[in-house]
Amino acid sequence: GDSVTQMEGPVTLSEEAFLTINCTYTATGYPSLFWYVQYPGEGLQLLLKATKADDKGSNKGFEATYRKETTSFHLEKGSVQVSDSAVYFCALSDQAGTALIFGKGTTLSVSS
Amino acid sequence: DVKVTQSSRYLVKRTGEKVFLECVQDMDHENMFWYRQDPGLGLRLIYFSYDVKMKEKGDIPEGYSVSREKKERFSLILESASTNQTSMYLCASKQGGETQYFGPGTRLLVL
Repeated sequence: GDSVTQMEGPVTLSEEAFLTINCTYTATGYPSLFWYVQYPGEGLQLLLKATKADDKGSNKGFEATYRKETTSFHLEKGSVQVSDSAVYFCALSDQAGTALIFGKGTTLSVSS
Repeated sequence: DVKVTQSSRYLVKRTGEKVFLECVQDMDHENMFWYRQDPGLGLRLIYFSYDVKMKEKGDIPEGYSVSREKKERFSLILESASTNQTSMYLCASKQGGETQYFGPGTRLLVL
């Protein structure tokens, strides 16, 4: 079945460092792809999404490009801040477009 | 803004108790979801509902049931709580498109 694999954490960075969190997927068809973020003690918030190949989603300085040829949707940010410390989840829509299938999450910790 | 609220942020229950987790959304969304979140396992879908009184099993429905009597409210029921149901429970809703909007979560501890 469809699945999402994202890099194991935790990822520990200094402020202003470059961030990459890898995400690859296995899917039948052409799912939409998402990154959600969960700040400490909160629920998940949509960070960005892409609905077709070569689309780039972006928000709050984060970017991810839907790469069909490598089945990837890696999350990047040029300069992280302490406030970016959170758990990041990659997800794809299931074949029916009803539910989301999530990766296991990657914890990011940014220190000043 | 879409608002999804959950009745409790923290709950402590005893083994064998019947537990109700309530979720309410204020945007007239058709679809509502219950997930559980566990360290190292990510989010796993328990049940979802695409309309009032309609429900579908997700990946891990065993030990759970749901109720959707009104469009805005989706309840998760643990008929007889067990310690392996200690977890974070997240409710979400969506309308049409694929973006789901999440509540703040309920952290349940079963003793």
